[in-house]
Amino acid sequence: KNEVEQSPQNLTAQEGEFITINCSYSVGISALHWLQQHPGGGIVSLFMLSSGKKKHGRLIATINIQEKHSSLHITASHPRDSAVYICAVNSGGYQKVTFGTGTKLQVIP
Amino acid sequence: GAVVSQHPSWVICKSGTSVKIECRSLDFQATTMFWYRQFPKQSLMLMATSNEGSKATYEQGVEKDKFLINHASLTLSTLTVTSAHPEDSSFYICSATGGNSYEQYFGPGTRLTVT
Repeated sequence: KNEVEQSPQNLTAQEGEFITINCSYSVGISALHWLQQHPGGGIVSLFMLSSGKKKHGRLIATINIQEKHSSLHITASHPRDSAVYICAVNSGGYQKVTFGTGTKLQVIP
Repeated sequence: GAVVSQHPSWVICKSGTSVKIECRSLDFQATTMFWYRQFPKQSLMLMATSNEGSKATYEQGVEKDKFLINHASLTLSTLTVTSAHPEDSSFYICSATGGNSYEQYFGPGTRLTVT
């Protein structure tokens, strides 16, 4: 079992839909990251959080430390949101980062 | 948030040549930088950890003589792929930490294609 599990692996949504991507982890962490990787490969850091909730534009990230779970929400999804979303956690002496396998999102116009 | 850049964003080189990838922290001093590699449709995997002024620590299975890492200043780390082979074609990503060790900032990545 991977230390970081994401669901779903693939997600197709209609433009405008509310999207949720989930991340569960099995280790103690100091921080959790949500990353976005576009088809060209470039990585964009979306959020880094250790508790509670963060919001940036149409993106919202939440984390529940007790349940070892985080969610990434996208409101009013748009085709340009199509990308792979990766959850990663800092653990094991804080600097070690473990990555999930990613969720491939496709938003259809 | 803090910004990490990589250069180049993509590079094509011939087998047997060497290629250098730069990772820079633009607005903070990066005491530690990390280099990751991503194979197609797989997660990022840590290759090595470098601290400024020290030798890099390589993960098991990573050839340190092939992937040369230099972290000569608090804002720059370089990864040199020596005698590149087509199987070295991959996506290479760096990240950096400053004062708070868990605050890692990721670079956009460099796509290397070896022909």
